[in-house]
Amino acid sequence: RKEVEQDPGPFNVPEGATVAFNCTYSNSASQSFFWYRQDCRKEPKLLMSVYSSGNEDGRFTAQLNRASQYISLLIRDSKLSDSATYLCVVNRDSGGSNYKLTFGKGTLLTVNP
Amino acid sequence: DTGVSQNPRHKITKRGQNVTFRCDPISEHNRLYWYRQTLGQGPEFLTYFQNEAQLEKSRLLSDRFSAERPKGSFSTLEIQRTEQGDSAMYLCASSLIDRAYEQYFGPGTRLTVT
Repeated sequence: RKEVEQDPGPFNVPEGATVAFNCTYSNSASQSFFWYRQDCRKEPKLLMSVYSSGNEDGRFTAQLNRASQYISLLIRDSKLSDSATYLCVVNRDSGGSNYKLTFGKGTLLTVNP
Repeated sequence: DTGVSQNPRHKITKRGQNVTFRCDPISEHNRLYWYRQTLGQGPEFLTYFQNEAQLEKSRLLSDRFSAERPKGSFSTLEIQRTEQGDSAMYLCASSLIDRAYEQYFGPGTRLTVT
């Protein structure tokens, strides 16, 4: 089983739609979680961290369920500029070194006009 | 531009040749990471440095791969005797020690082995 698994996608949605991405992780020792965004032919960039209590950043909401080892990202009122691949990322702290990010395969989102 | 830079951006080489890539991290970042990304996959961790010390290497990093960060600034990744399976995007990232989850990636070097 892969350490981080994501919805395979792709997702094609109209502007203004709400879209949700799901991710599961296999290692219960994982300590911290993130969503990165990667535009076509570009490098990945941190979108947001994911906290146990859930967190929101504008139109983006991230949720974490440690018991189910499940992470989600919700995008409301999607924009054309949201079109990208969304990478679920898990970090397993190791002695506090906090160094190694494990990326899922990513889910491609295309927002259509 | 004060972001992470990588050179070259593209490299085409014949199987069996050696190649070397360079990464210049954000200047105040102590940590530097190398990842490999193939089409349809997320980045896979290869190795990382804290200053000049290489602290971890993935099992993906065979003995044909070597990375250095001699003065704790730029880093090089060398692949010896390249194979077609080495064709990928090689990404470098850097971070501060206490914000190691927030890694800033360079544009990558796309390697094609023919």
